[in-house]
Amino acid sequence: GDSVTQMEGPVTLSEEAFLTINCTYTATGYPSLFWYVQYPGEGLQLLLKATKADDKGSNKGFEATYRKETTSFHLEKGSVQVSDSAVYFCALSGSWAGTASKLTFGTGTRLQVTL
Amino acid sequence: DTAVSQTPKYLVTQMGNDKSIKCEQNLGHDTMYWYKQDSKKFLKIMFSYNNKELIINETVPNRFSPKSPDKAHLNLHINSLELGDSAVYFCASSQDVNWGVYNEQFFGPGTRLTVL
Repeated sequence: GDSVTQMEGPVTLSEEAFLTINCTYTATGYPSLFWYVQYPGEGLQLLLKATKADDKGSNKGFEATYRKETTSFHLEKGSVQVSDSAVYFCALSGSWAGTASKLTFGTGTRLQVTL
Repeated sequence: DTAVSQTPKYLVTQMGNDKSIKCEQNLGHDTMYWYKQDSKKFLKIMFSYNNKELIINETVPNRFSPKSPDKAHLNLHINSLELGDSAVYFCASSQDVNWGVYNEQFFGPGTRLTVL
């Protein structure tokens, strides 16, 4: 079945540092890929998405590129802020009937940004 | 103007009890979901309803019974609660189920269930 693997956390960075959170996936066909963010005490919010190979999703300074050859969708940000502290989830939605509506999540990576 | 709301936010109960969690969305979406997030933050889909019809039912014990009285509501009833049911339960909704095309899912704030 479909699966998502993302790097273990927590990741602790100083403000303005560069962020990379690795995500790789296993899926048949051509899944859509997503990054969700969960701020403390809140639900999940969609951060960015990419629906086909070589697409780059971007939002709020975060970027991720859908790499089919390496089955990866790594999240990057050039300069993190304290307000970026949250748990980040990589997820995929399958491309086959019955799987398109189901999100498969990675285990989440906690990011803590300090001054 | 909350998009997806859940009640209660916190639920503490004894083993063996029966409890319900309610979810409502005011986005006009056709599809709603329940996800379970365990203590390690791992998220897994439980159920999905489209226009009040069940379309996804993962391997969830039949003590869990979702009910959708209309397409804006999806409630989760849990019978004979067990310690392992302790988790955060998230409701979500999306515009439609369009096979082969993803529709963004909007999540509620979660309900933290603690079974003692």
